[in-house]
Amino acid sequence: DGGITQSPKYLFRKEGQNVTLSCEQNLNHDAMYWYRQDPGQGLRLIYYSQIVNDFQKGDIAEGYSVSREKKESFPLTVTSAQKNPTAFYLCASSIGSLRGYNEKLFFGSGTQLSVL
Amino acid sequence: EDQVTQSPEALRLQEGESSSLNCSYTVSGLRGLFWYRQDPGKGPEFLFTLYSAGEEKEKERLKATLTKKESFLHITAPKPEDSATYLCAVNSGGYQKVTFGTGTKLQVIP
Repeated sequence: DGGITQSPKYLFRKEGQNVTLSCEQNLNHDAMYWYRQDPGQGLRLIYYSQIVNDFQKGDIAEGYSVSREKKESFPLTVTSAQKNPTAFYLCASSIGSLRGYNEKLFFGSGTQLSVL
Repeated sequence: EDQVTQSPEALRLQEGESSSLNCSYTVSGLRGLFWYRQDPGKGPEFLFTLYSAGEEKEKERLKATLTKKESFLHITAPKPEDSATYLCAVNSGGYQKVTFGTGTKLQVIP
């Protein structure tokens, strides 16, 4: 079955540590996204990528980094510069068109990141 | 700045008791309004896309409608398995122009 796989399901970060969240899709989608979900807030966009080897900052990119070396993969690194990383992180993909309008998002099952 | 407000924050229904969830929005130019369902500890799952005022879409016990200022998700004769958080989102253009609401947490009691 096609879909998006996120790993790990739970992740703990120590002070000063960088951690990487994995996201793999087999939907053959061009566009991929990372969102952060906090209680009582709407999903917020961290980074998005319309095509391999290209990505753009979203609304809350500070303290995060990404890469898009393969169409199927879009890993997110939470760096030590992100002072409040505890949240539920969601990876998503969409078909990817020239404009990106009206595209429904397909989400992974999420990674819960907590600080030790 | 685009804004999406969902109400109520939480809704508790008896099985079979129909109701509606509201999504009010303010956008510079609506390209699409989306409804998603999210179960605890899972990612959102797509339900509907609406593009223009007057449009309606149905799926099983769910029906989504759209006006120029708001969208409703009507739930007819809900069952316990309909319990979830329902998210509304609007796209005002481009991959980065999607704004999500905070969701309505629905609980259906047997």
